[in-house]
Amino acid sequence: GAGVSQSPSNKVTEKGKDVELRCDPISGHTALYWYRQRLGQGLEFLIYFQGNSAPDKSGLPSDRFSAERTGESVSTLTIQRTQQEDSAVYLCASSFKGPMFFGEGSRLTVL
Amino acid sequence: AQRVTQPEKLLSVFKGAPVELKCNYSYSGSPELFWYVQYSRQRLQLLLRHISRESIKGFTADLNKGETSFHLKKPFAQEEDSAMYYCALALSGNTGKLIFGQGTTLQVKP
Repeated sequence: GAGVSQSPSNKVTEKGKDVELRCDPISGHTALYWYRQRLGQGLEFLIYFQGNSAPDKSGLPSDRFSAERTGESVSTLTIQRTQQEDSAVYLCASSFKGPMFFGEGSRLTVL
Repeated sequence: AQRVTQPEKLLSVFKGAPVELKCNYSYSGSPELFWYVQYSRQRLQLLLRHISRESIKGFTADLNKGETSFHLKKPFAQEEDSAMYYCALALSGNTGKLIFGQGTTLQVKP
């Protein structure tokens, strides 16, 4: 596609439920990143995939958070047993030896 | 610890006035700094990076290692510059892991 695509754009869920957020990077981009943006705050790094290397998971806030990427394509961020503090916009970005291109984000609201 | 600070949440100026959005960083290594912008109802996008030393849409930013700053400047603000601006720091050897500031909303009034 023309840009980084994320789905769903909006997700409302109940506390304790699991959610999956999807990111489709720009074709050919070997690097893929997930960031979180809570209301009124900056972007927090979550996880980074680069090609076939082991991902950098150092930003994942707890073991409820996990992410996978199939080759150099789609990535899924999974949040298990969601909590209210997980409410945020989850941004995905991709790059290839240059600047990062961001998706429009998935807004997650945990009631 | 690595940190990026943008002290102003909101900066409001009149059209034609000079603009300076402040950014300070804390990092002991060799920094690579960026400014990202998010216009209303658009996705976050790269505005400029310090290693390019370029001017984009009239904006410039100079890395001052002595003051650990990377302020974004424009001599004459335009209404279309109204947006959210984020300063970001990439750690040495890994430009994927950016540390972002909290952002500054620039409001340019007619």
